[in-house]
Amino acid sequence: EEQLLESGGGLVAPGGSLRLSCAAAGFRFSSHAMTWVRQAPGKGLEWVSGISGDGNSAYYADSVKGRFSISRDNSGGTLSLEMNRLSAEDTGVYYCAKGILIVVMTAIDSWGQGTLVTVSS
Amino acid sequence: EIVMTQSPATLSVSPGEGATLSCRASQTVSNNVAWYQHRPGQGPRLLIYGAATRATGLPARFSGSGSGTDFTLTISSLQSEDFGVYYCQQYFDWPGTFGQGTKVEIK
Repeated sequence: EEQLLESGGGLVAPGGSLRLSCAAAGFRFSSHAMTWVRQAPGKGLEWVSGISGDGNSAYYADSVKGRFSISRDNSGGTLSLEMNRLSAEDTGVYYCAKGILIVVMTAIDSWGQGTLVTVSS
Repeated sequence: EIVMTQSPATLSVSPGEGATLSCRASQTVSNNVAWYQHRPGQGPRLLIYGAATRATGLPARFSGSGSGTDFTLTISSLQSEDFGVYYCQQYFDWPGTFGQGTKVEIK
């Protein structure tokens, strides 16, 4: 059974940093693109960042470009999201998600339960 | 970026009735559209990808159609477990934008 388990969420002050992690199991990690999708309170889903299966291609939403950095460890089956210069607009539940294909532009067929990030003073 | 517009915003349906959800893209996305169901406290669930391909294990009462800019998700006979918010998403071009969602309520 495929599993994605996020960790690292919490309360952080504006301007602060946070690192999210996602532990994957139950599938060949390097064969699938991975993505972070977030949901702000009362809002819809937003694709934040994606990385190809081989880790050579990474994409970012304009809203996080230059502040967030996605990475993956294919030997350990983990996905990470380094978030810097956080603002209240970054508050929300962050989902780790697995793409059907190795390329980033693909549908997502498995999702974690999400981790809550709250940016507030 | 490509804008995905869903309608209606809310749908109230009695068990056993059918439901039709619509999604329109601001420019052509070929058939690179997925549909997801999202229930409170859970991660979203993939229903349809490639506009019309059912995800593994998805009941046959769910079907997707469309190409280009107009897409439809049809639930032929709604069950009580089908409540939730349904999102369409295009993955034709980065960023893979989602629609704003259609909330399906069980009447």
